[in-house]
Amino acid sequence: NAGVMQNPRHLVRRRGQEARLRCSPMKGHSHVYWYRQLPEEGLKFMVYLQKENIIDESGMPKERFSAEFPKEGPSILRIQQVVRGDSAAYFCASSPGTVNYGYTFGSGTRLTVV
Amino acid sequence: EDQVTQSPEALRLQEGESSSLNCSYTVSGLRGLFWYRQDPGKGPEFLFTLYSAGEEKEKERLKATLTKKESFLHITAPKPEDSATYLCAVQARRGGATNKLIFGTGTLLAVQP
Repeated sequence: NAGVMQNPRHLVRRRGQEARLRCSPMKGHSHVYWYRQLPEEGLKFMVYLQKENIIDESGMPKERFSAEFPKEGPSILRIQQVVRGDSAAYFCASSPGTVNYGYTFGSGTRLTVV
Repeated sequence: EDQVTQSPEALRLQEGESSSLNCSYTVSGLRGLFWYRQDPGKGPEFLFTLYSAGEEKEKERLKATLTKKESFLHITAPKPEDSATYLCAVQARRGGATNKLIFGTGTLLAVQP
């Protein structure tokens, strides 16, 4: 019974390149959330998705960032034209419905922009 | 604005020395308060959800309590393996379907043998 799977674990990109982060939710979970954790800062909400729908993207920068959760396959967080300030740990979480049970988080993708 | 403040930022304890971590929150109607544990290089691990003032939950050496303004995570007779960052988060009760959580910056706990 695998948990939330994120890949890659570590990603290095040069400034101006694209970063694609993938997240496979736990089996039976249809809700996916992306959070960003900067050094010395707390986890910041970015986006909440259900299959084929973005429910809340209020925490996601309007430019360069996009997210999807297709009918088939993992959820993807895409960052275009990365800058040094995008360097952070990106965590994906999933839940079966409401979060009363608490999210289940993946181990994160650590993005470094050089 | 919904906000979560955790204190202290860091706490060093001797093995067996009980203590408490604090989470103060301001939110426009609390739907739930969550405690997570995060080990270095890993994702947060869910510990507890509390819903209403006066509620308490326990798990091994940990006990979480909730009032209308804050939550405490009590650690009784801690062991070195309890060393981690403990995160508090709230979910606001408001219109819309969002399930987002607002996190504090955490308390880094170090338990020395």
